[in-house]
Amino acid sequence: GAVVSQHPSWVICKSGTSVKIECRSLDFQATTMFWYRQFPKQSLMLMATSNEGSKATYEQGVEKDKFLINHASLTLSTLTVTSAHPEDSSFYICSARTGTGVVNTIYFGEGSWLTVV
Amino acid sequence: AQSVAQPEDQVNVAEGNPLTVKCTYSVSGNPYLFWYVQYPNRGLQFLLKYITGDNLVKGSYGFEAEFNKSQTSFHLKKPSALVSDSALYFCAVRDEFLSGGYNKLIFGAGTRLAVHP
Repeated sequence: GAVVSQHPSWVICKSGTSVKIECRSLDFQATTMFWYRQFPKQSLMLMATSNEGSKATYEQGVEKDKFLINHASLTLSTLTVTSAHPEDSSFYICSARTGTGVVNTIYFGEGSWLTVV
Repeated sequence: AQSVAQPEDQVNVAEGNPLTVKCTYSVSGNPYLFWYVQYPNRGLQFLLKYITGDNLVKGSYGFEAEFNKSQTSFHLKKPSALVSDSALYFCAVRDEFLSGGYNKLIFGAGTRLAVHP
């Protein structure tokens, strides 16, 4: 299947700093990428939908100024957690959609653990 | 509104026995249904999907799922469970009528499968 890569897999940052997580589609062009947050033993919570060349669409309750999403190319989307706080510590997962239409599949990255200390 | 329900938090199965992980859905139009598996500290791996056609869908690692329109179900099955199948399983439905066609996935809460030797 298609490969989606996330980097870094693990990151620890100090409270108040910003951290960037990258999501790359390695063998296909992804016009749409999605960013999720997952708390321990819970399901995935969609944060935002990212389309190449346009502004991200954020889900209700997600602060767009805190979670900056940039989808600069068809193979790269980035999530920047600005002024991170300990409550931002979580597992962040991106996914990318192959192709167009209803038969396309969404593939997920391996996830990125963020710990804010 | 579109939704997905996984009624069991955990399913316990002995190795070699058949397994079933349940999923029911609610959508306005045609359902596009997916199963993903998540191993500890990892992203989600695509198992299989139903878009149209044969109600029995075969996927990766010997898994299959049966689409039942009258019962609005999409249960995941495997004839003979392996210890290595132990993981967290997510059922998801594609929301085709909302979000401007961006095809967001709506996830169930997840079911933890434990296969005992």
